[in-house]
Amino acid sequence: AQSVTQLGSHVSVSEGALVLLRCNYSSSVPPYLFWYVQYPNQGLQLLLKYTSAATLVKGINGFEAEFKKSETSFHLTKPSAHMSDAAEYFCAVSVSQGGKLIFGQGTELSVKP
Amino acid sequence: AAGVIQSPRHLIKEKRETATLKCYPIPRHDTVYWYQQGPGQDPQFLISFYEKMQSDKGSIPDRFSAQQFSDYHSELNMSSLELGDSALYFCASSSMTEQETQYFGPGTRLLVL
Repeated sequence: AQSVTQLGSHVSVSEGALVLLRCNYSSSVPPYLFWYVQYPNQGLQLLLKYTSAATLVKGINGFEAEFKKSETSFHLTKPSAHMSDAAEYFCAVSVSQGGKLIFGQGTELSVKP
Repeated sequence: AAGVIQSPRHLIKEKRETATLKCYPIPRHDTVYWYQQGPGQDPQFLISFYEKMQSDKGSIPDRFSAQQFSDYHSELNMSSLELGDSALYFCASSSMTEQETQYFGPGTRLLVL
């Protein structure tokens, strides 16, 4: 069965600093991987996705993630944090088109001025 | 661009009452998913429908039922509500041309008193 582990339930960075949110997955078949962002009292917004094309995926708002099969990782990065990036970030995995998403526990990102 | 619509956005019910949540997928999306997100938790898959047929089932209580209609909208019916059913309920949709990607609605926040 597939699973997702997000290391660090809370991450705090200074404005302008690098953002690194960690995600490791477990899957017996090639996965589809996603990062979603959730702002307070809002729904889940798709940031980016990996679907077996390029291993380095660029998303919205300057975020990107790299799929590393050998490390079973899909970490999310952004070179320079902005105050508006403060939110909850969820990594998710699916093993089939149209299949359910399995989410990680989420990482709350705080950005300090 | 049109997004997933959920109604109502907020719902307050008493224990043992019934609730109906509605989801209107993005136009031309034929697959609908339902997720439950408890306070401080990650979203958990409940059930999905493809072309009006149930396609997958997760940890959905027997007190809950759902269906997808001919216009592709979906309804989640919840009976004999319990305090533990208080959560944010998300609907997501996907299309045939992008089956692996789910787009989420803003959610319905259900409070059971």
